[in-house]
Amino acid sequence: NAGVTQTPKFQVLKTGQSMTLQCAQDMNHNSMYWYRQDPGMGLRLIYYSASEGTTDKGEVPNGYNVSRLNKREFSLRLESAAPSQTSVYFCASWGGGSNQPQHFGDGTRLSIL
Amino acid sequence: GQSLEQPSEVTAVEGAIVQINCTYQTSGFYGLSWYQQHDGGAPTFLSYNALDGLEETGRFSSFLSRSDSYGYLLLQELQMKDSASYFCAVSPYSGNTPLVFGKGTRLSVIA
Repeated sequence: NAGVTQTPKFQVLKTGQSMTLQCAQDMNHNSMYWYRQDPGMGLRLIYYSASEGTTDKGEVPNGYNVSRLNKREFSLRLESAAPSQTSVYFCASWGGGSNQPQHFGDGTRLSIL
Repeated sequence: GQSLEQPSEVTAVEGAIVQINCTYQTSGFYGLSWYQQHDGGAPTFLSYNALDGLEETGRFSSFLSRSDSYGYLLLQELQMKDSASYFCAVSPYSGNTPLVFGKGTRLSVIA
């Protein structure tokens, strides 16, 4: 029972390089999310997809793009990485119901030099 | 909009009880959730309060008072493994609007 799977787990990029973070869930959830987490800043929402075929901006979307490839997969792309995007990135999914939790992947630790 | 305030750090002794508070400003929400995150790990769900009052799950309890715009997480019989960050989050009204998270409270349990 994998839940939410993120790849890669670690990545080092040079400024200006591009990168796609992958996320897949096997719980048949409609909603998927991308967060970044920086020390002392909590979880900040980058983009989310309430259902297959839709995406919306969150709190900090600048410098990122997303694709909801199908119901299972939601990818996050950095077109031209900047040092300010060094962070831990979490993908999450939610199946609906206000009392139901979000399920998080293990995170991608991204360093941009 | 919504905003949630939590203390940034709390320290407590092993075996003791600790309360982590969460105050919020929101136009309306379904419920208050709590998540736990160990260093290097992913956030995991702990509890959810839809109604005012106390919800108990083993050593952990969570409380909500909508009239006071306030909730808390209570951890009893603290263990070293409870050292982690704890986040409160609200589920806003309006369909698929994502959870709004507080910035988290880092709990350190000391011997």
